[in-house]
Amino acid sequence: AQSVTQPDIHITVSEGASLELRCNYSYGATPYLFWYVQSPGQGLQLLLKYFSGDTLVQGIKGFEAEFKRSQSSFNLRKPSVHWSDAAEYFCAVGRTDSWGKLQFGAGTQVVVTP
Amino acid sequence: NAGVTQTPKFQVLKTGQSMTLQCAQDMNHEYMSWYRQDPGMGLRLIHYSVGAGITDQGEVPNGYNVSRSTTEDFPLRLLSAAPSQTSVYFCASIGGRGPNTEAFFGQGTRLTVV
Repeated sequence: AQSVTQPDIHITVSEGASLELRCNYSYGATPYLFWYVQSPGQGLQLLLKYFSGDTLVQGIKGFEAEFKRSQSSFNLRKPSVHWSDAAEYFCAVGRTDSWGKLQFGAGTQVVVTP
Repeated sequence: NAGVTQTPKFQVLKTGQSMTLQCAQDMNHEYMSWYRQDPGMGLRLIHYSVGAGITDQGEVPNGYNVSRSTTEDFPLRLLSAAPSQTSVYFCASIGGRGPNTEAFFGQGTRLTVV
């Protein structure tokens, strides 16, 4: 069975500093990988996705993620965070044999300090 | 989130009451699903549908029913509400394949069972 682990429940970062959110997955084949962001009281917005090809994926809002097969990881990064990046971030895995069944991690809450 | 409409946004139920959460999409997507979001647990799949007339159980299906009579609509029914069903519910609509996969989420329904 597939699983997704986001090791960091909560991260505090200063505005202007870099941010990296970790995501590890367990799946026998090459998965589809997603990062979503959720602002308080809102739905989920897709930041970026990976299916194949270039392992460094660019997304919206200045985010990027790198797929590392050897480490079963798909970490999200942003070089310089803005106060508006404070939100909860979810990593999700989709299966190539059941492409619509997304498995989500528990989420990482990001707090941005002045 | 474009194309996925969930109603209601908020609901309070008494234990034992039944209700239906509505979800509609206008993107002609084959795949629709319902998730519940609880603190520290991310989103968990309740039920999903790969097309009109086809539904299946996800990770946490107990206490919920679904049907998919049309491509556009995928209602979620709570048969006899319990406090454990207090949660935020999200409907998702997924279309495309591989790199063209699009996943859109509704704004969520915050349900409280007292």
